[in-house]
Amino acid sequence: GEEVAQTPKHLVRGEGQKAKLYCAPIKGHSYVFWYQQVLKNEFKFLISFQNENVFDETGMPKERFSAKCLPNSPCSLEIQATKLEDSAVYFCASSRSAPRTGINGYTFGSGTRLTVV
Amino acid sequence: DQQVKQNSPSLSVQEGRISILNCDYTNSMFDYFLWYKKYPAEGPTFLISISSIKDKNEDGRFTVFLNKSAKHLSLHIVPSQPGDSAVYFCAAMTDDYKLSFGAGTTVTVRA
Repeated sequence: GEEVAQTPKHLVRGEGQKAKLYCAPIKGHSYVFWYQQVLKNEFKFLISFQNENVFDETGMPKERFSAKCLPNSPCSLEIQATKLEDSAVYFCASSRSAPRTGINGYTFGSGTRLTVV
Repeated sequence: DQQVKQNSPSLSVQEGRISILNCDYTNSMFDYFLWYKKYPAEGPTFLISISSIKDKNEDGRFTVFLNKSAKHLSLHIVPSQPGDSAVYFCAAMTDDYKLSFGAGTTVTVRA
């Protein structure tokens, strides 16, 4: 399809529990990006993939966050031992090619709202 | 540190008039700039982009202007329509493909 599909839309976890978020990029797109929107309008880059390979993980809090993009499976972002501060909307985006070679930047999904209580 | 700044949190404009959104950046390595529009409970939607080798790009009602020496860009929407009411994000990219976003400007178009 022509949309980036993120599941679930909402996720509630108790502090210390694991959270796993999924992202199906647009078919044929080889780049996948994860962003975290903590405050209402502040986006933070987490990690990017080129196909199944990590392209840039400089934004990932490595102690508790991990991500994968395996062939023929949705990409995933997993948070072990969630903390209250992990409450945010997590956006996934995909791009057909290196984003600056196209004219459309990249396409975002509608996000997963994670609430840690 | 915030490398992309949108200093106006909100903008109210009458339908049919021009909306001008401003954005400043500090990182001189940014060489590709984008504007996204976002409705509540949705992801950002790409509007328009500009490479640093240009100073203007136009697409229908949307025009982006880039002033590299001032590290400033602006988005003009004319004429503004009720459906343009949304949060607008300025974003910038270097050759690592990750976006640095501004804090957003909420635009309200009044009938």
